[in-house]
Amino acid sequence: EVQLQQSGAELVKPGASVKLSCKTSGYTFSNYYMSWLKQMPGQNIEWIGNIYGGNGGTGYNQKFKGKATLTVDKSSSTAYMDLSSLTSEDSAVYFCARGRYYGYPYFDYWGQGVMVTVSS
Amino acid sequence: DIQMTQSPASLSASLGETVTIQCRASEDIYSGLAWYQQKPGKSPQLLIYGASSLQDGVPSRFSGSGSGTQYSLKISSMQTEDEGVYFCQQGLKYPLTFGSGTKLEIK
Repeated sequence: EVQLQQSGAELVKPGASVKLSCKTSGYTFSNYYMSWLKQMPGQNIEWIGNIYGGNGGTGYNQKFKGKATLTVDKSSSTAYMDLSSLTSEDSAVYFCARGRYYGYPYFDYWGQGVMVTVSS
Repeated sequence: DIQMTQSPASLSASLGETVTIQCRASEDIYSGLAWYQQKPGKSPQLLIYGASSLQDGVPSRFSGSGSGTQYSLKISSMQTEDEGVYFCQQGLKYPLTFGSGTKLEIK
């Protein structure tokens, strides 16, 4: 069974950084892309970027360049996202989601999401 | 970026009713479209990909259609468990983008 298990909720101060994790199981991690997505309360979903589990190659939404940094640890089948210089605009739920290519990229499995709250 | 516009923003339907949700892309996306269902406090679930292909395990009352810039999701017989928010997503170009969602409730 494919599972994506995300780390717990974070409360961080403005200006700080946070590292989120997404531990996977049930599939060959190195054969798939992992995407990260942002959803603010009651709002749209935004794609932040993706990373290939095989070689760590990344692609980013221009909007999140400089804000998010994606990495992987193949040995533990875990994907990570660092968010830096946090502001209130970064308060949101963040999802990891496995990329599946049916001709075009979609997301067939999602983590449960992690709430990041930026507050002093 | 490709803009995805969904309509309506919300709707309510009776049990057994047929429901249709629309999604329009700002340019031709060549059927590179997916639909997701999200329930409160949960992560989205893939329903349809490639505009009309049903994801494994998704009930057959869900169907997708469309081409070019216009797409739709149909639920042929509304069930209680179909309440939630539905999003479309284009896969043609990066950055991947989503519609703003349609909230579906039972009447």
